[in-house]
Amino acid sequence: KAGVTQTPRYLIKTRGQQVTLSCSPISGHRSVSWYQQTPGQGLQFLFEYFSETQRNKGNFPGRFSGRQFSNSRSEMNVSTLELGDSALYLCASSPQDSSTDTQYFGPGTRLTVL
Amino acid sequence: DQQVKQNSPSLSVQEGRISILNCDYTNSMFDYFLWYKKYPAEGPTFLISISSIKDKNEDGRFTVFLNKSAKHLSLHIVPSQPGDSAVYFCAAVALGVSNDMRFGAGTRLTVKP
Repeated sequence: KAGVTQTPRYLIKTRGQQVTLSCSPISGHRSVSWYQQTPGQGLQFLFEYFSETQRNKGNFPGRFSGRQFSNSRSEMNVSTLELGDSALYLCASSPQDSSTDTQYFGPGTRLTVL
Repeated sequence: DQQVKQNSPSLSVQEGRISILNCDYTNSMFDYFLWYKKYPAEGPTFLISISSIKDKNEDGRFTVFLNKSAKHLSLHIVPSQPGDSAVYFCAAVALGVSNDMRFGAGTRLTVKP
């Protein structure tokens, strides 16, 4: 099976712009979680989707949003980008309920905000 | 490609005994390793880390061992407690290259009372 894929792998934006990141989970996986990784803050949970519904949400402002499609692919959107949004955004998929299952991480999308 | 592997999806241990979670990696550039713990409905939280210049790091009941020649690290929890039941992720970073972490798929630890 192919692993979790994320596109694009690298992205450069300027402050005030918006960005959409994409994640394709492993075939058959229905749960997708998003994380932000920064050197200073480490790994922080953004949100989790399961069967097109947001199940859990981390402590991020409303500028961060996401959605999941019927084929389990997920997108994450960040509006009005700030310099502090520069980070590696990781997506992870899980077969069923990510609350109790292991997760498979994608390679991440490196977002740089100038 | 999976550069970090946790080959045991689950582990069950009796309370008070030792839990040993294993992690293997393939990239010899990795020089910093972390363990994260994830409870249901929450994101992973940092637990303990080790630099490649060390072969052991201890923090209370948690000890991480690193065997660079075997590209293997392990997390020991002694004594195990029911509250330790969670999914544990191993992560690796090549600090000389980037800060991007590579994660294993996790091991679900169940500690039985």
